[in-house]
Amino acid sequence: QKEVEQNSGPLSVPEGAIASLNCTYSDRGSQSFFWYRQYSGKSPELIMSIYSNGDKEDGRFTAQLNKASQYVSLLIRDSQPSDSATYLCAFDTGRRALTFGSGTRLQVQP
Amino acid sequence: EPEVTQTPSHQVTQMGQEVILRCVPISNHLYFYWYRQILGQKVEFLVSFYNNEISEKSEIFDDQFSVERPDGSNFTLKIRSTKLEDSAMYFCASSELDRGPDGYTFGSGTRLTVV
Repeated sequence: QKEVEQNSGPLSVPEGAIASLNCTYSDRGSQSFFWYRQYSGKSPELIMSIYSNGDKEDGRFTAQLNKASQYVSLLIRDSQPSDSATYLCAFDTGRRALTFGSGTRLQVQP
Repeated sequence: EPEVTQTPSHQVTQMGQEVILRCVPISNHLYFYWYRQILGQKVEFLVSFYNNEISEKSEIFDDQFSVERPDGSNFTLKIRSTKLEDSAMYFCASSELDRGPDGYTFGSGTRLTVV
């Protein structure tokens, strides 16, 4: 069973701080990894995709991938109260289907 | 910006009844998907659909489920005889032919409540 593991949280950070979200996955063959943000009652919204080992930056977001350790992370710099949401890690099974983690709830305190 | 439209936004049905959830994918997208999320749980893949046939399906997608593209614009998920455990948020998504999940556009979802 291919799995994605995330700490459910909540992760609480003060406004302006860096939020660090982590994810491990079980399928060594996975090539494509994604971070989604989901507000309560809403659909997932893609934040970042990452395919290669190392860091990928997009604005306040940085995704980090370490395939040897089967580990993906997301850093959110200058966290804002509007970043408060559940962050879902996911990987592509290689068949155009996503396997999601259960998500980490982030709370940014004003 | 193009959207994936899902209707209805909320449906309540009695156990054992058939339901049809409807989706209008983005017009130039050729791959279509259904996912579900039981309250408080993970988003789970159900099925992908391309060229008028199922491309992939998960273990969840058993004989009670079916998908169809009845015309050029709609993509439907039918649950034949609903169970209490089918209560969930159902998300439709679509993508272009040469894009994988990084090209997904999710709809806003249909909340299905089975009573």
